[in-house]
Amino acid sequence: DIQMTQSPASLSASVGDRVTITCRASQNIGTYLNWYQQQPGKAPKLLIYVASSLKRGVPSGFRGSGSGTDFTLTINSLQPEDFATYYCQQTYTSPFTFGQGTSLDIE
Amino acid sequence: QVQLLQSGPGLVKPSQTLSLTCAISGDRVSSNSVGWNWIRQSPSRGLEWLGRTYYRSNWYTDYAESVKSRIIFNVDTANNSFSLRLNSLTPEDTAVYYCARDSSTMARLGFDYWGQGTRVAVSS
Repeated sequence: DIQMTQSPASLSASVGDRVTITCRASQNIGTYLNWYQQQPGKAPKLLIYVASSLKRGVPSGFRGSGSGTDFTLTINSLQPEDFATYYCQQTYTSPFTFGQGTSLDIE
Repeated sequence: QVQLLQSGPGLVKPSQTLSLTCAISGDRVSSNSVGWNWIRQSPSRGLEWLGRTYYRSNWYTDYAESVKSRIIFNVDTANNSFSLRLNSLTPEDTAVYYCARDSSTMARLGFDYWGQGTRVAVSS
């Protein structure tokens, strides 16, 4: 199975800050990397697919980049609703594995 | 607008079978350009993909190795739904279970719609 490793595990920031979360795959997955946001008690929500494509309706402050094994999610100018847990997922091959998550909370 | 509505029990006894259903609106379970997934989430295992079923002139299913010997997916085209059956439950199967759609032929574009989640506890 492809292992997905996110860093950091947790992150504190303030409204208006820019933050970056990284995700590393244990093997080359091309650009088949997705990012999700999960609010407490809710299902994950797809933000970005194939590394850098923003899902329709997702604010433009979210940006994904990377290919191969190293990927980043950048959130520009944090809004109050952005404080949540973020997961990466590879859909290069099954099983479709997820990272362990990055918890973003208010500083 | 696609919506997935999950139903099923919140408490199951050890060694018994869990049955969950995901009812689809806004799409067809037999669409040949999407797939239907089950995922679970627990503090110890994180988000764990359990498997996928999809229609491409025939029905296909792909299960995660971790549950392959205990899991079955079914499709009900008349009710536009799909379901999960997981047998021989242990407390390690305690988790929130989600159904989700992927909108590409090989799930490459991620899971774009999710059910609301069903919190399942395995306990006597």
